[in-house]
Amino acid sequence: QKEVEQDPGPLSVPEGAIVSLNCTYSNSAFQYFMWYRQYSRKGPELLMYTYSSGNKEDGRFTAQVDKSSKYISLFIRDSQPSDSATYLCAMRTDQAGTALIFGKGTTLSVSS
Amino acid sequence: EAQVTQNPRYLITVTGKKLTVTCSQNMNHEYMSWYRQDPGLGLRQIYYSMNVEVTDKGDVPEGYKVSRKEKRNFPLILESPSPNQTSLYFCASSPGGQGSKPQHFGDGTRLSIL
Repeated sequence: QKEVEQDPGPLSVPEGAIVSLNCTYSNSAFQYFMWYRQYSRKGPELLMYTYSSGNKEDGRFTAQVDKSSKYISLFIRDSQPSDSATYLCAMRTDQAGTALIFGKGTTLSVSS
Repeated sequence: EAQVTQNPRYLITVTGKKLTVTCSQNMNHEYMSWYRQDPGLGLRQIYYSMNVEVTDKGDVPEGYKVSRKEKRNFPLILESPSPNQTSLYFCASSPGGQGSKPQHFGDGTRLSIL
């Protein structure tokens, strides 16, 4: 079993839809959870960053972490064509020097 | 503007010809790392550095070298490139020695080894 699993999609939704992106993981030592957005020909950019369990909201984006289920989610409300990108989940433990482990990314397309 | 700068952005070269991809950050970050991104495999860490003169292997270090002589620079060296190193490479940096803070990424270097 891979450490981080993420459905690659592609996921196609109409403008205005609510989008749910998810990752599951196997390492219970993961403490830091991130979502990155990556546009074509660009590097990943940080969208959301959470420590341990709970919810975090930032504008149209909400990140949820459920450590008991080893499951994290990113919700996008009122999706826009500009949200079309690949979304990567990432996570790591709190041990110094350990690597950031990425999911393979989900490709999202929002049509107008 | 805070940024991570990689050069070159694109490079086509031949097997065995040594090459260096430079990475520079202007945020005074302690932690820097290199990743490669391949279809179906996602982002995988090659090497990382927790501070000047401190480097360590990531998940896929074979065939690569790095150095960290200055805080801002973290070059990736391919001594004898091979076709299986054809990939999209990203440099990233973050504050703090543990690297637990979110990482800022460069825009990538696309390498093709013929």
